[in-house]
Amino acid sequence: NAGVTQTPKFQVLKTGQSMTLQCAQDMNHEYMSWYRQDPGMGLRLIHYSVGAGITDQGEVPNGYNVSRSTTEDFPLRLLSAAPSQTSVYFCASSYFGTGKAWRNSPLHFGNGTRLTVT
Amino acid sequence: QLLEQSPQFLSIQEGENLTVYCNSSSVFSSLQWYRQEPGEGPVLLIALYKAGELTSNGRLTAQFGITRKDSFLNISASIPSDVGIYFCADWTGGFKTIFGAGTRLFVKA
Repeated sequence: NAGVTQTPKFQVLKTGQSMTLQCAQDMNHEYMSWYRQDPGMGLRLIHYSVGAGITDQGEVPNGYNVSRSTTEDFPLRLLSAAPSQTSVYFCASSYFGTGKAWRNSPLHFGNGTRLTVT
Repeated sequence: QLLEQSPQFLSIQEGENLTVYCNSSSVFSSLQWYRQEPGEGPVLLIALYKAGELTSNGRLTAQFGITRKDSFLNISASIPSDVGIYFCADWTGGFKTIFGAGTRLFVKA
């Protein structure tokens, strides 16, 4: 099983350029999310989605855009890259339901995209 | 809600036991412990649901504290493949899961 697949693995951008980080999952998970990981700061939530057509902001949404047109895909767009967006980006998915069943379900992560903005 | 983990770094000898801690500014809704190996995404190790219940997964053991605002993860008889970053995570409501800053573990053979 592929699980959560992220592309590309590495990317270098110049300040002001735009790009899309791809994320696809084959587990039929309704919940998908994007995190960024910076040294000493753990994982911070950028955006998330509880199903096709539904997205919402996380802790650090500025400078990023998302959409969810299918259950499988959840792309993350950088509109105008800045050096502060240099980071490792992780996509994650999980089962989504009501109450404890969702709260206790684990996040399944991809292997990340390492982005450098110069 | 903020999750604080300690220690930030841990370097131990193979075969030793270790404990990492997670403290929250508010009561845990539920708590998950993840490990991230180099170059990969985090993977769930243990999920805690009930206060006081000791939960195990092989050499790993985790438990909520009495106030349910703290937790520990214990690893016994460490091996080199235990290296990585250990994160605690909690669901904050509003469909958001937040993570602590992590404990980076080094195991010397």
